[in-house]
Amino acid sequence: DGGITQSPKYLFRKEGQNVTLSCEQNLNHDAMYWYRQDPGQGLRLIYYSQIVNDFQKGDIAEGYSVSREKKESFPLTVTSAQKNPTAFYLCASQEGDYNSPLHFGNGTRLTVT
Amino acid sequence: GQQVMQIPQYQHVQEGEDFTTYCNSSTTLSNIQWYKQRPGGHPVFLIQLVKSGEVKKQKRLTFQFGEAKKNSSLHITATQTTDVGTYFCAGPTGGGADGLTFGKGTHLIIQP
Repeated sequence: DGGITQSPKYLFRKEGQNVTLSCEQNLNHDAMYWYRQDPGQGLRLIYYSQIVNDFQKGDIAEGYSVSREKKESFPLTVTSAQKNPTAFYLCASQEGDYNSPLHFGNGTRLTVT
Repeated sequence: GQQVMQIPQYQHVQEGEDFTTYCNSSTTLSNIQWYKQRPGGHPVFLIQLVKSGEVKKQKRLTFQFGEAKKNSSLHITATQTTDVGTYFCAGPTGGGADGLTFGKGTHLIIQP
């Protein structure tokens, strides 16, 4: 059954620690995205990748890093430089061209204390 | 940069009443997409509108794209408890090559 898998569903970290969120897809989609969702803020784009070994900063990339070594995988690292890391993180992939709909994973809820 | 605005932010309705959410873009869009997010869930794609003035229906849901391709609306007739959630509109950023810009969403709360 094809889809996007994000793990873990809930993640807790202490302030000052880097943490990596996993995103894997078996849909054979070229493009992948990371969005952050905060209450009342909608979805804001962190990073995106249109093809393997290439990625671009979104609107709120500061304090985050990504890699795209494989088509199936697009992990997001939340670094200690991110001032307000507690949020709901959503990974998405896109079939076809960039006007196509996004397919979202179930999300990871990160809490940093 | 491109902005996508949605109103209202929250909408309380009695079950059976109609509901409408409005979306406005600061720039002309090549297409607009609508997503629904159930409480505790992730956004799920509902529909895409491409043509100026386009109207599409999905059972009790009616989607419209404005003539100038800068605004859109979603109307739900006779709401049911299963309609609860947040409805987002989204438009391509930078011509689409930079992903989608989402509105902040409209939270639909239904009172039985």
